[in-house]
Amino acid sequence: EAGVAQSPRYKIIEKRQSVAFWCNPISGHATLYWYQQILGQGPKLLIQFQNNGVVDDSQLPKDRFSAERLKGVDSTLKIQPAKLEDSAVYLCASSLDFGGATEAFFGQGTRLTVV
Amino acid sequence: SQKIEQNSEALNIQEGKTATLTCNYTNYSPAYLQWYRQDPGRGPVFLLLIRENEKEKRKERLKVTFDTTLKQSLFHITASQPADSATYLCALDETGFQKLVFGTGTRLLVSP
Repeated sequence: EAGVAQSPRYKIIEKRQSVAFWCNPISGHATLYWYQQILGQGPKLLIQFQNNGVVDDSQLPKDRFSAERLKGVDSTLKIQPAKLEDSAVYLCASSLDFGGATEAFFGQGTRLTVV
Repeated sequence: SQKIEQNSEALNIQEGKTATLTCNYTNYSPAYLQWYRQDPGRGPVFLLLIRENEKEKRKERLKVTFDTTLKQSLFHITASQPADSATYLCALDETGFQKLVFGTGTRLLVSP
């Protein structure tokens, strides 16, 4: 079974530029997450989708971050404009069920450096 | 919202010993709690899930306990090996609809 795919693997941009990350979850997984992980910290949930609807985006900085999940499959996370403090690893994860106790499968992440 | 606390200091142990990691949460007890392993440069990998009505769960050399009175989960690795060196994260469902939130993680270093 293919895992969660993310691209790019690394990205370096200047502050105030924009950037987009792409995620392809495991086939059939209804729930998709985007997490931000700053070095030395645990993953922080930015947004949770169930199919193509947003379940929770309470910690998404909506003035600069946006995310969408096309047709309930692939997802993109965008930052515009980027700030220095956005330097982090952005992890995408997916899980099979909604409302049940199931594990999340993570991609390798995109390491973003804002200079 | 839940606050999940894990020991931020690294845990150093010798090979063959049992490693015990702690996860404490502050608010209501979740229906289940999960443990993940994260290696440098990789995404977290699921290890174990324990439900609120289960006191203990085992998988090979791993054991997890869940005490809803203490609001605490303990994660044990018996007969630890250098290959067990990694960061271990606990996670819980904050809403009952799989809003998975993570602790800060504890780094485990197993010396030969």
